[in-house]
Amino acid sequence: GENVEQHPSTLSVQEGDSAVIKCTYSDSASNYFPWYKQELGKRPQLIIDIRSNVGEKKDQRIAVTLNKTAKHFSLHITETQPEDSAVYFCAASSTGNQFYFGTGTSLTVIP
Amino acid sequence: DVKVTQSSRYLVKRTGEKVFLECVQDMDHENMFWYRQDPGLGLRLIYFSYDVKMKEKGDIPEGYSVSREKKERFSLILESASTNQTSMYLCASSLSHRATDTQYFGPGTRLTVL
Repeated sequence: GENVEQHPSTLSVQEGDSAVIKCTYSDSASNYFPWYKQELGKRPQLIIDIRSNVGEKKDQRIAVTLNKTAKHFSLHITETQPEDSAVYFCAASSTGNQFYFGTGTSLTVIP
Repeated sequence: DVKVTQSSRYLVKRTGEKVFLECVQDMDHENMFWYRQDPGLGLRLIYFSYDVKMKEKGDIPEGYSVSREKKERFSLILESASTNQTSMYLCASSLSHRATDTQYFGPGTRLTVL
């Protein structure tokens, strides 16, 4: 089956700096890569996703890049704000029936 | 707006008890999922269902069973709860089997087994 690894497990940045979270996957059949944000005590919510036929996708301050050859994808958050503090999960899927999640990155933005 | 609800936010049970966790979605989604979330381990899939009365094992099905008698409801059953099943349980649903269908999560049930 698929194996998704996520790094780092914790990340602290100063407000206004950029944050980068990286994930690797093992199954070349995976073709959809969503990112979820989970604030303390709340449910995970989709923040951005990318399909395997796209190399990069941007939505305001967040962007995701995908390197299919190397089997890795990354989340980039620019101009970080305190409300960006949360746990971020990457995931990979080749079918809609099974998603494989990374172990999560706890991001702290220091005011 | 998709709404996924879970029957309890917090639950405390004793070892050996039978435990039912209920999940309901109101958007006519075909797929429903049960995950377990533990620190440092992320979200791990227990079971998923792609249709009424249909179920498939995920990565960690041991000690769990599921039931989907109606499209909107997906139940997770711990036949005989054990302390190592103390965890946060998250239910999710998605429109269909397409990989690009967004998963919507419920608020979670924090289960403690004493």
